[in-house]
Amino acid sequence: GQNIDQPTEMTATEGAIVQINCTYQTSGFNGLFWYQQHAGEAPTFLSYNVLDGLEEKGRFSSFLSRSKGYSYLLLKELQMKDSASYLCAVVYAGNNRKLIWGLGTSLAVNP
Amino acid sequence: GAGVSQSPSNKVTEKGKDVELRCDPISGHTALYWYRQSLGQGLEFLIYFQGNSAPDKSGLPSDRFSAERTGGSVSTLTIQRTQQEDSAVYLCASSPGPTETQYFGPGTRLLVL
Repeated sequence: GQNIDQPTEMTATEGAIVQINCTYQTSGFNGLFWYQQHAGEAPTFLSYNVLDGLEEKGRFSSFLSRSKGYSYLLLKELQMKDSASYLCAVVYAGNNRKLIWGLGTSLAVNP
Repeated sequence: GAGVSQSPSNKVTEKGKDVELRCDPISGHTALYWYRQSLGQGLEFLIYFQGNSAPDKSGLPSDRFSAERTGGSVSTLTIQRTQQEDSAVYLCASSPGPTETQYFGPGTRLLVL
């Protein structure tokens, strides 16, 4: 199958660092997206990884290991507004090139 | 520029009625997706249009659901004989091409009484 696995919920403290993991089936892998979704709103794009390594964008970074079928989203200097669901989605070749979505990780940032 | 727009933003209907949900993608985007999301749940893929190719309907939950995309732009998702379990947020997304970043509309919140 093409299951995408993420933790269901995470809690962190304002100002801290949190890492949200995502694992996936490696066969046919063709790229990985991270999206942020605030409650009651639509998902918004955060990052895209297709090569191994770390992509940094301000307080957010995303890492990919293709051989391990593993990615993480790293959020630094957490703010209350970072409380949201974080969705991992993978593109598989031959799957009509549509995304396979994880169920999302609900992050609660506490003061 | 303008993002993806959807209408209506909210729809309340009675069980058994038909509903039509509209999506206006970003101009020039060839790929268009419909998803469904129930409260607190993940995204459920429904249907995908890419250019002039036949749509990928593999996610449609029953034959009561159908969608079309006219002229490679606007799309309409139709749910016939609505059931209470159809209540959800219906999200539309478009992307410049397949496998590229998807941009989501604000969604239509459907409530079937």
